[in-house]
Amino acid sequence: GAGVSQSPRYKVAKRGQDVALRCDPISGHVSLFWYQQALGQGPEFLTYFQNEAQLDKSGLPSDRFFAERPEGSVSTLKIQRTQQEDSAVYLCASSLGHGQGHYGYTFGSGTRLTVV
Amino acid sequence: QQQVKQSPQSLIVQKGGISIINCAYENTAFDYFPWYQQFPGKGPALLIAIRPDVSEKKEGRFTISFNKSAKQFSLHIMDSQPGDSATYFCAASKGAQKLVFGQGTRLTINP
Repeated sequence: GAGVSQSPRYKVAKRGQDVALRCDPISGHVSLFWYQQALGQGPEFLTYFQNEAQLDKSGLPSDRFFAERPEGSVSTLKIQRTQQEDSAVYLCASSLGHGQGHYGYTFGSGTRLTVV
Repeated sequence: QQQVKQSPQSLIVQKGGISIINCAYENTAFDYFPWYQQFPGKGPALLIAIRPDVSEKKEGRFTISFNKSAKQFSLHIMDSQPGDSATYFCAASKGAQKLVFGQGTRLTINP
């Protein structure tokens, strides 16, 4: 596709429910990032993939958060036993990767998660 | 630890005026400094970026000024237009790794 696609756009989850958020990066983009953006705040880094390898997961706030990119393309961010503090917009971004000298990301429109 | 501090939090500028947003960073290992523009319901979009080996970069109406010794950089929007009304984020990274974002500036351009 022309851009980074995220689904669903909106998700309402009951506290304690598990959710899965999907990201389709731009075709051929090696690097994929997940960010969490709380209301009125800047995005905060969660995790980074280069192809299928998860190279940095230092931003994941707890072991309830898990991300995967098994074939080096589509990625899924899973949140188990959701809590109210997980309510945020989850942004996915992709780039050609540092090996190409391209540092700029393209972000998707995000998934707005509301935990009730 | 807030590694990138952005100000002001909100800014109102008249149409045709100059909008100026400032950022300061702490980590001297940062070597990439982008600015992103975000409209409601959309993801951030890359506006302009600079590396620390230059002091200024201009693209159209947008200019980044970079002061390495002061560890500060700023975004200038010349001839501001109502369509520029959005939230702007500065960011910094070391190489192509994770970006550290500022808190954002909500810019309103009055017609």
